Amino acid sequence: DAKTTQPPSMDCAEGRAANLPCNHSTISGNEYVYWYRQIHSQGPQYIIHGLKNNETNEMASLIITEDRKSSTLILPHATLRDTAVYYCIVRRWYSGNTPLVFGKGTRLSVIA
Amino acid sequence: DSGVTQTPKHLITATGQRVTLRCSPRSGDLSVYWYQQSLDQGLQFLIQYYNGEERAKGNILERFSAQQFPDLHSELNLSSLELGDSALYFCASSVTGGRTGDEKLFFGSGTQLSVL
Repeated sequence: DAKTTQPPSMDCAEGRAANLPCNHSTISGNEYVYWYRQIHSQGPQYIIHGLKNNETNEMASLIITEDRKSSTLILPHATLRDTAVYYCIVRRWYSGNTPLVFGKGTRLSVIA
Repeated sequence: DSGVTQTPKHLITATGQRVTLRCSPRSGDLSVYWYQQSLDQGLQFLIQYYNGEERAKGNILERFSAQQFPDLHSELNLSSLELGDSALYFCASSVTGGRTGDEKLFFGSGTQLSVL
């Protein structure tokens, strides 16, 4: 699976959009971009995933650049409860025996 | 609530002891994963099972073992415990374990193991 690069930390004001970037310049055609988050000491939580089109669900939006070398997770109206570590993971659709590997992620702090 | 149940939530034990952590996957999920998270390290993959068979192995110590039972629940056994084994242990489940696509993992709330 391709490697990802994320900023170690970010701040966001409560009520504003949080835009979390992820670089995955070596992504290949059959690899998807997944986002998970981990709120302090809780189990990681799946947020969203996509291949090439932008995706939106009840939690967030995922914007993938046309060349697929980077993406942005958008939390449209961040709340204090969105304070967490956010992990961007690139993974083949048919991953077989390859486990999901978590990097260091981005620690998002939502500030009142 | 992810639907993945882990017990116990907290476990305090002494060095040299043996403990068993239990995980019940979401209904319908065939694959179970175990991860370890200590303070100085991120989430480390330990082992994956699919429908009772070992599928993938990560940095799991020889003192650790796991299995998945016919009812699909899984147990992680940790023996000859050392201080450094103190960590959060997470279990996750998914429907197909990556075999047929869409491998969203659903994590339990973890077991906090403290070795004194």
